[in-house]
Amino acid sequence: QKEVEQDPGPLSVPEGAIVSLNCTYSNSAFQYFMWYRQYSRKGPELLMYTYSSGNKEDGRFTAQVDKSSKYISLFIRDSQPSDSATYLCAMYSSNYGGSQGNLIFGKGTKLSVKP
Amino acid sequence: DADVTQTPRNRITKTGKRIMLECSQTKGHDRMYWYRQDPGLGLRLIYYSFDVKDINKGEISDGYSVSRQAQAKFSLSLESAIPNQTALYFCATRNSGGGDTQYFGPGTRLTVL
Repeated sequence: QKEVEQDPGPLSVPEGAIVSLNCTYSNSAFQYFMWYRQYSRKGPELLMYTYSSGNKEDGRFTAQVDKSSKYISLFIRDSQPSDSATYLCAMYSSNYGGSQGNLIFGKGTKLSVKP
Repeated sequence: DADVTQTPRNRITKTGKRIMLECSQTKGHDRMYWYRQDPGLGLRLIYYSFDVKDINKGEISDGYSVSRQAQAKFSLSLESAIPNQTALYFCATRNSGGGDTQYFGPGTRLTVL
């Protein structure tokens, strides 16, 4: 079993739809969770960052972490064509030295929002 | 100016050639990373460095080497390129201070013929 599983899609939705992107993980030591957005031919850029369980909202984006289920989600409300990109989840267990601090990435979900 | 820069942005080379990809950062971060990205395989860590004297292998280091010339510079070398090293390569930086995250460069598209 991979440490982080993410459905690669592709996912195609109409403009204005609510999008739900998800990752599951196996390592219960993960504490820090991130979502990156990657446009075609660009480097990933940080979108959301959460620590431990709970929700975090930033504009149209909501990140949700359920550590008991080892499941994280990213919700996009009122999706726009400009949201079309690949979304990667990432997580790590500790920032205190060693490889535990290295980010573990999901493979990414490709999202297309149609006008 | 971009905080993390990579050169070249695109490179086509032939099997057996030695290739160097360079990464520079102005963020003042101590940690630097090299990844490759392949369709269906996601981002895979090649090498990482916590400071100039601390370099570590990632999950796919075979066929690659690195050099951390200064805190701001981290280069990746392919000693004898092979076609299955054709991929998108990303450099990333990160601060060892608690809670910070990782910042990526724009990528280098490498094609080995």
